[in-house]
Amino acid sequence: EADIYQTPRYLVIGTGKKITLECSQTMGHDKMYWYQQDPGMELHLIHYSYGVNSTEKGDLSSESTVSRIRTEHFPLTLESARPSHTSQYLCASSESRQGDQPQHFGDGTRLSIL
Amino acid sequence: KNQVEQSPQSLIILEGKNCTLQCNYTVSPFSNLRWYKQDTGRGPVSLTIMTFSENTKSNGRYTATLDADTKQSSLHITASQLSDSASYICVVNDRGSTLGRLYFGRGTQLTVWP
Repeated sequence: EADIYQTPRYLVIGTGKKITLECSQTMGHDKMYWYQQDPGMELHLIHYSYGVNSTEKGDLSSESTVSRIRTEHFPLTLESARPSHTSQYLCASSESRQGDQPQHFGDGTRLSIL
Repeated sequence: KNQVEQSPQSLIILEGKNCTLQCNYTVSPFSNLRWYKQDTGRGPVSLTIMTFSENTKSNGRYTATLDADTKQSSLHITASQLSDSASYICVVNDRGSTLGRLYFGRGTQLTVWP
């Protein structure tokens, strides 16, 4: 059973606010990822991390930032939210020995910017 | 251009019936292919993984096939249940680098009616 948690599940907030989406996993996985998913579209990688103090940008350009201070925690931050940031954000993690493929996904945060 | 194409985009079947979902990819070089199930409002959950040398793999009522020559995969669902209603996502991993890269399909939305 996957042990990866995202909070909040839903967030509706006004333009210009600072937002932090939380992601935590209890499996000790080194690799963690953030994906953006719009309805009917494929997942797009926006950030990934291969370990503590390691973060990289993904394929899809994003104005968000991430940090990896602890193995289990991989928060995503939007400094000033805009309507274009409205989307579903999925966090995932995997063990290093299984290659660069996410094994476990959180249930996502559905973000709506008014 | 998306290198993983899934068909059909959506499918409605009656409970108890079988169905087959298709995935065609152009990703090269190929490392592995996964099928994920994503329930509404939840994160994707891995169903099967197939490597280059595998032709068929089963997971309960789910059977995945892979033809690496034609770059096609299928997911066959036997004796469908209402709980099979979900989006099924095909994900291909390349081995173009030591890190690998994931290519996501847009999913097939399956609805099972009673």
